Amino acid sequence: EPEVTQTPSHQVTQMGQEVILRCVPISNHLYFYWYRQILGQKVEFLVSFYNNEISEKSEIFDDQFSVERPDGSNFTLKIRSTKLEDSAMYFCASNDGTGPYEQYFGPGTRLTVT
Amino acid sequence: GQSLEQPSEVTAVEGAIVQINCTYQTSGFYGLSWYQQHDGGAPTFLSYNALDGLEETGRFSSFLSRSDSYGYLLLQELQMKDSASYFCAVRGKSNYQLIWGAGTKLIIKP
Repeated sequence: EPEVTQTPSHQVTQMGQEVILRCVPISNHLYFYWYRQILGQKVEFLVSFYNNEISEKSEIFDDQFSVERPDGSNFTLKIRSTKLEDSAMYFCASNDGTGPYEQYFGPGTRLTVT
Repeated sequence: GQSLEQPSEVTAVEGAIVQINCTYQTSGFYGLSWYQQHDGGAPTFLSYNALDGLEETGRFSSFLSRSDSYGYLLLQELQMKDSASYFCAVRGKSNYQLIWGAGTKLIIKP
């Protein structure tokens, strides 16, 4: 069964450093999403991406964040200058575009900012 | 804007039935989704209700009442593996955004 993959599974970085989180969505999916989940809290929408551009973004997704689909398979989230409060689990998700309701999630990247 | 309310925690006994409620306030309603998340795992889609009534998928059912802005997830014949957090979610400002409730932690006792 096809699945969303994410790398790395855990990333430790120092405050102020740039990090890139990588995702490979399911191959025939057209819509891609990034979410953040601070430990024990709700899943927070960051951004959605379709047809090589951002479709929607939340208030969390400020200028320090960017997304890119550098090739036909990868989907990346870049955080330019990490802050302590960026420490969280970051999930990538994808779907075929029949609404946002049913999404397929990757296993997540745990980001720890020290 | 959109907001969803769920109980933070529900406890039930193995083999029993449990209901997890979700009330929502939205500026436009298009349906209610449910996801399951085990500790340390990724959310997994369970169900989606766009119309009033009950949708059944095996041991799990989901109900929606649009007039009451209310839905619930019903889990029958509880198994220990059902111990997880359950999230309800609605469409956000656009068709490209899903807004999530805070989640309900389901604790199952033998």
